[in-house]
Amino acid sequence: EIVMTQSPATLSVSPGERATLSCRASQSVSSNLAWYQQKPGQAPRLLIYGASTRATGIPARFSGSGSGTEFTLTISSLQSEDFAVYYCQQYNNWPPSITFGQGTRLEIK
Amino acid sequence: EVQLVESGGGLVQPGGSLRLSCAASGFTFSSYEMNWVRQAPGKGLEWVSYISSSGSTIYYADSVKGRFTISRDNAKNSLYLQMNSLRAEDTAVYYCARDGRLTAAGIVYSMQAFDIWGQGTMVTVSS
Repeated sequence: EIVMTQSPATLSVSPGERATLSCRASQSVSSNLAWYQQKPGQAPRLLIYGASTRATGIPARFSGSGSGTEFTLTISSLQSEDFAVYYCQQYNNWPPSITFGQGTRLEIK
Repeated sequence: EVQLVESGGGLVQPGGSLRLSCAASGFTFSSYEMNWVRQAPGKGLEWVSYISSSGSTIYYADSVKGRFTISRDNAKNSLYLQMNSLRAEDTAVYYCARDGRLTAAGIVYSMQAFDIWGQGTMVTVSS
């Protein structure tokens, strides 16, 4: 099983500043990496797929990068609505191996 | 509006059974691969099961293999999860999630990501 490790577990950032979240895979997942945002009491929302492509309706301040085993989600200028938990997820197509990272909690500093 | 709505959650004793449903609307359900994902209270996300658009290909996480059964009824735009031999560690919010698709030059590709999620249904396994 591919293990996804996110860091840091909690990130404290002030509104308007940049946030950088990391995700590492225990073996290469190519670019089969997605990022989700989850707010309390809500379902996750897809932000990024294919490591760097924004999903429909996602603001340009969200960007993803990386390939292989190292990935980054960057939020360029934090808005109040961005404080949430973020998960990375890898999807190996055959056989399907779908695993999530443990999450990074982005909190207001 | 594209929507997934889960139902069927509740309180069940260890060793019991429960059947979850997920009603899809606003898109051609029969064209999409579907999944169940769960989240234990205060914990992260765990993929549970996958089913292809026709229902011919199915996969499970090791933690539920042999106890859970995923199925779908494309005529009813519905996805199901039959959960047997339930354990305390199965306690979680269960989400149905759609595999995203892209179309380029007439060819359909998987997004390798879940683009639509339901609101979730809570399953509590306790005596």
